Amino acid sequence: DIQMTQSPSSLSASVGDRVTITCRASQGIRNDLGWYQQKPGKAPKRLIYAASSLQSGVPSRFSGSGSGTEFTLTISSLQPEDFATYYCLQHNSYPPMYTFGQGTKLEIK
Amino acid sequence: QVQLQESGPGLVKPSETLSLTCAVSGYSISSGYYWGWIRQPPGKGLEWIGSIYHSGSTYYNPSLKSRVTISVDTSKNQFSLKLSSVTAADTAVYYCARDLMETFDYWGQGTLVTVSS
Repeated sequence: DIQMTQSPSSLSASVGDRVTITCRASQGIRNDLGWYQQKPGKAPKRLIYAASSLQSGVPSRFSGSGSGTEFTLTISSLQPEDFATYYCLQHNSYPPMYTFGQGTKLEIK
Repeated sequence: QVQLQESGPGLVKPSETLSLTCAVSGYSISSGYYWGWIRQPPGKGLEWIGSIYHSGSTYYNPSLKSRVTISVDTSKNQFSLKLSSVTAADTAVYYCARDLMETFDYWGQGTLVTVSS
């Protein structure tokens, strides 16, 4: 099975900061990777799919990049509403399987 | 707009079977896509449980496969989850979502299921 290692597990930052979250796969994967934002008591919201495609309606300060085994989510200038927990999600085709990263809790400094 | 809504008992006894249903509106399950279940124990991360196609084809998380059954009812535009022999470790918020076989796009609001006697 492919394992996803997400880092950091928590992060303190200020409004206006640039933030990067990383997910590493235990073996090379295609670009079947997405990023989600989850706020307390709410369902996860997809931000990025296919590693770098921005979900419609998501602000352009969010971006995704990477290929192979290392993927990143970058928030270019943190806004107050961005403080939440972020997860990566990898889909493997053979055998079909989804694996979430462990999550990154982004807190206000 | 695609909407999903989970329903089912909020309390299940240990060793019994957890049963949930996800009603889909704004999209016909028969039109395509897989449909999946994901759970999240209180204060913890997300875990994919399994997914089903409208034809009934399924794929499951190997760690849960022996206890999970997902089924679909296209006439009611809904799909269901059964998880057998539950323990306290199965206490979680259970989400249903549309599975694009690369990510999940539309999600239900989630339903908390507590396993307790």
